Amino acid sequence: DSGVTQTPKHLITATGQRVTLRCSPRSGDLSVYWYQQSLDQGLQFLIQYYNGEERAKGNILERFSAQQFPDLHSELNLSSLELGDSALYFCASSGRQEPRTEAFFGQGTRLTVV
Amino acid sequence: DQQVKQNSPSLSVQEGRISILNCDYTNSMFDYFLWYKKYPAEGPTFLISISSIKDKNEDGRFTVFLNKSAKHLSLHIVPSQPGDSAVYFCAASRIKSGGGADGLTFGKGTHLIIQP
Repeated sequence: DSGVTQTPKHLITATGQRVTLRCSPRSGDLSVYWYQQSLDQGLQFLIQYYNGEERAKGNILERFSAQQFPDLHSELNLSSLELGDSALYFCASSGRQEPRTEAFFGQGTRLTVV
Repeated sequence: DQQVKQNSPSLSVQEGRISILNCDYTNSMFDYFLWYKKYPAEGPTFLISISSIKDKNEDGRFTVFLNKSAKHLSLHIVPSQPGDSAVYFCAASRIKSGGGADGLTFGKGTHLIIQP
């Protein structure tokens, strides 16, 4: 158990809809990262938050957004969903100890867009 | 442009032997390199890391070697055990000024199969 909790584990929704994925980081971790794993692309970094503020952006679409709340949990919002958004979405947290590069991953949310 | 490459999609090794997983990178600005292991239906699990200023780091059965001039790193698992069968991801990170790190850049993974 990595200590990172993601909900829900599975999500099936229709094209054009909007969903919210939730992540609770490990206790004490200030950084939250979101990753997308699709079949052909591998793990792709989407976005990072540190103590409530956006710190880095990767390959995140404009239809996607995220935020980190004062209690440090994070949400990833995916809107106007397309079939190609079907993927595993992972959240990871880090920051409890130096060096702050090892990230600990949750079990992921499998999103299926039909 | 793939900055971290794992050119072997799969590798089969006999139990008890050494497993060597390879990874190449193109970005010389990376500060840290990491290996993650992933079982089906689970998130990646951190295994071992190495700073760009070192050439070797060892943790139990796992050793990572870094050759900066060749922009190449490898993970050695000795001896290989059946529980090591999983997908192994190489990842790289750049430390940001002021602390913290950019999101990890991952390779596409190598599926290691340990044969009994």
